[in-house]
Amino acid sequence: DAMVIQNPRYQVTQFGKPVTLSCSQTLNHNVMYWYQQKSSQAPKLLFHYYDKDFNNEADTPDNFQSRRPNTSFCFLDIRSPGLGDAAMYLCATSREGATGVDYNEQFFGPGTRLTVL
Amino acid sequence: GQNIDQPTEMTATEGAIVQINCTYQTSGFNGLFWYQQHAGEAPTFLSYNVLDGLEEKGRFSSFLSRSKGYSYLLLKELQMKDSASYLCARHGGATNKLIFGTGTLLAVQP
Repeated sequence: DAMVIQNPRYQVTQFGKPVTLSCSQTLNHNVMYWYQQKSSQAPKLLFHYYDKDFNNEADTPDNFQSRRPNTSFCFLDIRSPGLGDAAMYLCATSREGATGVDYNEQFFGPGTRLTVL
Repeated sequence: GQNIDQPTEMTATEGAIVQINCTYQTSGFNGLFWYQQHAGEAPTFLSYNVLDGLEEKGRFSSFLSRSKGYSYLLLKELQMKDSASYLCARHGGATNKLIFGTGTLLAVQP
């Protein structure tokens, strides 16, 4: 089945130790998104890739970086995790600009729950 | 959420009907999504409205009034498994970003 996959589902890291979260998709969607969601809060968009074009949100800390080596994969790098970065990180994809697409539904992966010790 | 308002919590009884309201900032509006999110899981798509009116999909319906910046999600014949957070999300103009509300936590009781 076509889907959005995130690994790992649970990640524990130490304060200040770099960590990478991964996302892959078999939907062949051209847009991929990374959201941060803290408990009882709305998902907050960190950045997205439209094809290879990187779009950073103005309030996303420099501590967060992303890479998209190809259509299928996208990575979230947290260079120096702080206690405040503990959250669920959601990857999502959508197909933009395609003929016959009525609306740009975003498909979410299961998320990676990050714990910072 | 950014200029999106929805109630924080609601409680309803199994078998009943519940309406979850959402108001949003109308500038740059390009569509309104509803997502369901169970605790610890990813949001899943429920509905999309871009024109005024009611969209019905099984037990779930969603309504939109663009002039009022208002939407609601209607859940009929509630089941225990409908206990979840319901996120209203506005489609944000040229960038196609989704701007989420903080969600309404619905508890369905026997």
